[in-house]
Amino acid sequence: DAGVIQSPRHEVTEMGQEVTLRCKPISGHNSLFWYRQTMMRGLELLIYFNNNVPIDDSGMPEDRFSAKMPNASFSTLKIQPSEPRDSAVYFCASRRGSAYEQYFGPGTRLTVT
Amino acid sequence: GNSVTQMEGPVTLSEEAFLTINCTYTATGYPSLFWYVQYPGEGLQLLLKATKADDKGSNKGFEATYRKETTSFHLEKGSVQVSDSAVYFCALSDQSYQKVTFGTGTKLQVIP
Repeated sequence: DAGVIQSPRHEVTEMGQEVTLRCKPISGHNSLFWYRQTMMRGLELLIYFNNNVPIDDSGMPEDRFSAKMPNASFSTLKIQPSEPRDSAVYFCASRRGSAYEQYFGPGTRLTVT
Repeated sequence: GNSVTQMEGPVTLSEEAFLTINCTYTATGYPSLFWYVQYPGEGLQLLLKATKADDKGSNKGFEATYRKETTSFHLEKGSVQVSDSAVYFCALSDQSYQKVTFGTGTKLQVIP
């Protein structure tokens, strides 16, 4: 089992540029979560999907952030335009059902200069 | 809504010391409870879990018991090692509220 796959692992971009983070969940998992982790704010849930449908996006900081899940095996998190305060590690996680544990990807470290 | 409260860190222990990290929760219904561990530069990974009252989760020498009467899920280990240095997160998942609720994390540093 390959686990949750995220790409890229590292992204450095300039303020104002568009950033797209990608996630492939574990096959057979029906829920997908996007988190952001920083020293100041800790681990924050941005959005989660159940059966490819966004259920709760209340954690998305503002309209610059958007997420999609076009099918069960792929999701994207897009930031447009990016700002320095978006610098963080972004994690994707998936799980089989609500009673089960989440499996986290290795994360994407985003640096916006 | 649901909430998880963990003891503040960082926690610094000498090798072979006893570890307790406290975790209490508030939830509707009957949540599943989890401890996750995050090593430097990595994502979170499941350490142990318990899905009903009085269940004990255990893994790698760590244990936690689901106590419904005290709404707690404290993490313990009898003898910590330097390799246990990491950040530990307590979490719950409630079937009626599909979000996973995480605590703020407790950083553990074990010194030789």
